Amino acid sequence: DAGVIQSPRHEVTEMGQEVTLRCKPISGHDYLFWYRQTMMRGLELLIYFNNNVPIDDSGMPEDRFSAKMPNASFSTLKIQPSEPRDSAVYFCASSYGGPATDTQYFGPGTRLTVL
Amino acid sequence: DAKTTQPTSMDCAEGRAANLPCNHSTISGNEYVYWYRQIHSQGPQYIIHGLKNNETNEMASLIITEDRKSSTLILPHATLRDTAVYYCPSGDGGSQGNLIFGKGTKLSVKP
Repeated sequence: DAGVIQSPRHEVTEMGQEVTLRCKPISGHDYLFWYRQTMMRGLELLIYFNNNVPIDDSGMPEDRFSAKMPNASFSTLKIQPSEPRDSAVYFCASSYGGPATDTQYFGPGTRLTVL
Repeated sequence: DAKTTQPTSMDCAEGRAANLPCNHSTISGNEYVYWYRQIHSQGPQYIIHGLKNNETNEMASLIITEDRKSSTLILPHATLRDTAVYYCPSGDGGSQGNLIFGKGTKLSVKP
């Protein structure tokens, strides 16, 4: 298996622009997670899905952030409009079981820079 | 907020054992103890997990205290490639059991 795939690996955009991050989980995994990592706050869970349904989005910082999972093999995290404080590394992870009961496999991340 | 406590940083000499502690005093009875690590610029990588008993795999050993309030990850013969940030994430105590990773321990293996 290729592991969790994320694209793009790097994204540089200007404030106010829409940003879309993409993730392909490991085939057969029922859970998909989106995390954000910054120096100040470390690794934070934004949202996770079970069988394509959002289960907990309490970590999504504000309405500018949205995530979708239209099918079992694809998810997007969208920021509209983007702001400089959104600059971070965004990771996608997937697992067979729930967040605290099964191993999560992380993708390589997308490094987002908002100017 | 993170419910685990880890030292911010540790050093270890190459070839020696690295012992990384984690306090998880609020862990629930059915919650696993997980360890992950993150090598610079990569996504976090699973290392090992356990519930009550000590565990060993090809990467590391995990020692869990009898009261389960703390654990130690042991890298028996650290190499330079083990330099990374090590996390022992905890459940957030909510119904969803989300993992809180916090900032982990920065392990520097020195020649």
